[in-house]
Amino acid sequence: GEDVEQSLFLSVREGDSSVINCTYTDSSSTYLYWYKQEPGAGLQLLTYIFSNMDMKQDQRLTVLLNKKDKHLSLRIADTQTGDSAIYFCAEKRTKAAGNKLTFGGGTRVLVKP
Amino acid sequence: SQTIHQWPATLVQPVGSPLSLECTVEGTSNPNLYWYRQAAGRGLQLLFYSVGIGQISSEVPQNLSASRPQDRQFILSSKKLLLSDSGFYLCAWREKQSPGQIYEQYFGPGTRLTVT
Repeated sequence: GEDVEQSLFLSVREGDSSVINCTYTDSSSTYLYWYKQEPGAGLQLLTYIFSNMDMKQDQRLTVLLNKKDKHLSLRIADTQTGDSAIYFCAEKRTKAAGNKLTFGGGTRVLVKP
Repeated sequence: SQTIHQWPATLVQPVGSPLSLECTVEGTSNPNLYWYRQAAGRGLQLLFYSVGIGQISSEVPQNLSASRPQDRQFILSSKKLLLSDSGFYLCAWREKQSPGQIYEQYFGPGTRLTVT
């Protein structure tokens, strides 16, 4: 199994809030990221949080980090149809060879009008 | 500004044929480079990464190989494709890490490979 885990699918109605959850196992993680992948495209960085932070807000996006439980979440306020995509969380471990990121399996978010 | 290119965008190849996917990065030097595969409906699997010319690290044993003949060029190859090689291949780059700085990992547009 993967070291970073996410639920596979989330359905939300337009205008509601979406919450995407992620759990990781490595306590040495320094940065945690959220990426968005639209259909047929590469990944784009949405936001990130440093491991000594509990929360980060960026417009409609709120990232919450519970380091004790190794739980990361992304909340999207006022979800729009354009938010339909796959969302990946990723962690950067302190001594990751090649500075590689470890990605979760992705959560497919479907926004219904 | 930095850009990352991948080609081809789509590819249909028969089983047993060779493969060469190319990735090039512009606007940076000495980046870390990465090849990922995304199978249909699945997450990202890191295949290879490279910290410099000629330096390749393999993450999983497989039918594929990678090379970095130039600083900003990363090539994914196979001598004989298998059906299980089908997927969406993503190249990514990242600047070398410096203490206290966060560096984004930038992804290319991807190549969709179908092995028939």
